Parts: sequence; C-alpha cells; structure tokens
Amino acid sequence: KQEVTQIPAALSVPEGENLVLNCSFTDSAIYNLQWFRQDPGKGLTSLLLIQSSQREQTSGRLNASLDKSSGRSTLYIAASQPGDSATYLCAVDSGGGADGLTFGKGTHLIIQP
Amino acid sequence: DTGVSQDPRHKITKRGQNVTFRCDPISEHNRLYWYRQTLGQGPEFLTYFQNEAQLEKSRLLSDRFSAERPKGSFSTLEIQRTEQGDSAMYLCASSYGQSPEAFFGQGTRLTVV
Repeated sequence: KQEVTQIPAALSVPEGENLVLNCSFTDSAIYNLQWFRQDPGKGLTSLLLIQSSQREQTSGRLNASLDKSSGRSTLYIAASQPGDSATYLCAVDSGGGADGLTFGKGTHLIIQP
Repeated sequence: DTGVSQDPRHKITKRGQNVTFRCDPISEHNRLYWYRQTLGQGPEFLTYFQNEAQLEKSRLLSDRFSAERPKGSFSTLEIQRTEQGDSAMYLCASSYGQSPEAFFGQGTRLTVV
C-alpha cells in the first residue's frame, strides 16, 4: 500500500526567504506526482504535476523535482510572499488514475510579513 | 469559470438523517473522483467514475454511502443514516482521460450533530 509522508508538518518563515518542502513515498512505481495548495476551508488548487518520466517542473516561483527511484519529491518556493501562506499537499498516482491519488498530510506554511 | 462545482458548500445535519451532495465536473472531463478529508489529514480516495461507470470503490465507502453519475455528467454522493464520524470535507475532482492532472472543487463541509 502506497504511503506518502510530508516533512515538515508546519513551517513559519519571514517573507522573502527561499524554502523547500519535502515529500516521500514508499512505492516507487508511480505514474505521476502532483503538488497542490489548499487554503483554509477551501478545495485544492493544482500547482505542478510531474510525470514519472520527468525530473522536474517549474511554474513561476515554484519548482518541483522528482526522484522516483528514491521515492522523493521536493517543492521549492523562491522569494516567499505572505500570499503563499497555505497548506501544501503532495499526492501520487499509483494506479494510472483508477485508484485516485494518495495524499500526504500536508505542510502548513506561514510566511511572516 | 468552468471549474469543478460542488453543492452545497456547507451542510449541517442531525445524526441519522440522509444527505446528498452534488458535483459538476469540468465539461468533457470523463473521469470523476470523490474524496473525504478530515481535519489535519490529506484527502482520502472514496470512489472513481469513468464516464457513467463506477470503476473503483475504496473500503472507506461503507454500505451507507452510494455514488452515482448518470449520463456521465454530474455526480451525486449520498450518505444514509449519518453518523458523527461522517463529519468531514467531501471533495470532488475531475480529469480528462489523456491528461492526468486532477482539478478539485471547493468541497462540501458536512457537520453531523
């Protein structure tokens, strides 16, 4: 059974810092990995999707990497802003879509103004 | 905006009552998923539809839960004889068969009192 772990569970940093969020998964046989953002009481917003054959994806100040063989992904946020404050969730697709996504518990990020 | 739409956004019900939630996926998305999220946890997969066919159900989906997707368009999730443990955020997501990226709705927050 696939298990996804996210470290740290919570993070508070001053505005402007670069930061890294970590995600690990136990079964390396994945189709893709997706990073989401969730604001309090809201749904999920897709940030980046990395296919199993890819090593990284970039969108603006966000960069996600994938090392499938070691079961790890990182989300790098450059020049953090207070608006980046949210919970960031990592999810893996192990079944080609049929079993849905397996999520970690998320990293609760606070960017101090 | 033609994102995933869920209704209602909030529902408070008494224990033992039946509730029904609706999800309208992004137009032409043939894959539809239901997830449940409790406080401090990542979403957990409940069930998956491809067009109108329900192809996968999690063991979390007890016999009090039923989901339908008539005509392969909108979907409903019904919970019968609600229990306090059913209190959670119920999230719907959709994707298109050739693209794995999942798009989530804003969720329905259920509170059973």
